Amino acid sequence: DVKVTQSSRYLVKRTGEKVFLECVQDMDHENMFWYRQDPGLGLRLIYFSYDVKMKEKGDIPEGYSVSREKKERFSLILESASTNQTSMYLCASTEGARAYGYTFGSGTRLTVV
Amino acid sequence: KQEVTQIPAALSVPEGENLVLNCSFTDSAIYNLQWFRQDPGKGLTSLLLIQSSQREQTSGRLNASLDKSSGRSTLYIAASQPGDSATYLCAVGANNLFFGTGTRLTVIP
Repeated sequence: DVKVTQSSRYLVKRTGEKVFLECVQDMDHENMFWYRQDPGLGLRLIYFSYDVKMKEKGDIPEGYSVSREKKERFSLILESASTNQTSMYLCASTEGARAYGYTFGSGTRLTVV
Repeated sequence: KQEVTQIPAALSVPEGENLVLNCSFTDSAIYNLQWFRQDPGKGLTSLLLIQSSQREQTSGRLNASLDKSSGRSTLYIAASQPGDSATYLCAVGANNLFFGTGTRLTVIP
């Protein structure tokens, strides 16, 4: 089974800090995604990537950037963390042919104080 | 833009009951539809994937159907158990994945 691993389950950061959330998948998937999940709003797409060094904005990219230097790793960066970025962050991957399903990591609960 | 709706938002049933969760979507141009389970504070676990050319998928006590023409999917859970208590999310895949806000299921022993 494909695994998507998020490096931290829980993080607490201070306002203004630069925050890195890491995601690694082990099945050579082309596509990787970052979502955030908030009560009442569901999952919203932040950024995604279809290949190394490629990135596309999702629905809510403001305040975030991403990096994909290697195929297996997709990093989400909060340039200057703010309290409204307190959320659950979920990483996912899928094969290039998009008829296949998505596999999610176990999530990172980020609290910005 | 694709919109995905799940009804009901919450559901409580006694153990042993069969139940149906509903999902509707506005744009039928999808690659697939996927049902996920999410336990509190955890990530998403994939339950069933229906590709756009398929009409249903089954896994154990779970059966999911897809009707693209009407923009609907149902997840049927047979003989519910307390361990089925979780939030169930449906998502439709096109270029990205669009999620409903989920149905929180509680199975009462």
